[in-house]
Amino acid sequence: NAGVTQTPKFRVLKTGQSMTLLCAQDMNHEYMYWYRQDPGMGLRLIHYSVGEGTTAKGEVPDGYNVSRLKKQNFLLGLESAAPSQTSVYFCASLTPGATRVQYFGPGTRLTVT
Amino acid sequence: AQSVTQLGSHVSVSEGALVLLRCNYSSSVPPYLFWYVQYPNQGLQLLLKYTTGATLVKGINGFEAEFKKSETSFHLTKPSAHMSDAAEYFCAVSAFSGGATNKLIFGTGTLLAVQP
Repeated sequence: NAGVTQTPKFRVLKTGQSMTLLCAQDMNHEYMYWYRQDPGMGLRLIHYSVGEGTTAKGEVPDGYNVSRLKKQNFLLGLESAAPSQTSVYFCASLTPGATRVQYFGPGTRLTVT
Repeated sequence: AQSVTQLGSHVSVSEGALVLLRCNYSSSVPPYLFWYVQYPNQGLQLLLKYTTGATLVKGINGFEAEFKKSETSFHLTKPSAHMSDAAEYFCAVSAFSGGATNKLIFGTGTLLAVQP
């Protein structure tokens, strides 16, 4: 099992450009999450999904959109990138149950100039 | 609402010394608590978790944490630091609420440096 994978690993965008980050998991997990990590701020939840075809806003959703067309994939889109979106983005997944352990991908480092 | 506070954004210890990383939480319902570790340029890896039952939890790499409800704390310890423990450590709380989202609320992280 590959676990949780993220594509791409690195990306540089210019202000106003758009891009999509892909998260894929092969653990048949129901729930998936997108976080951003910024120095001194820990991880903050952007959007999440509790199942195929469903998405919801997290703590910092502005400027991002998501889609969960297939259970194994969770896409994060930036329609018009801004320098404030320079960050490291992590995807995570879990299956609800007794442990509630989220499994994280390796991250995508995004720089917006 | 749930929240997590990690005291000390940077902690430095000598190799072989005790490691103590502090975490306090706020939750209106019984919490599930986690410690994750992040090595440079990597994702987050679960160190240990507290769900229910025994309040002293043992994790990987010799780390352990104790859930103290009266102090709303979940401090992480390791008796003897190793150079390979240098990393950033995150405490997180997951509290079940309506909607069953299992969202994690993270602390701001503690960067552990280990001096030779």
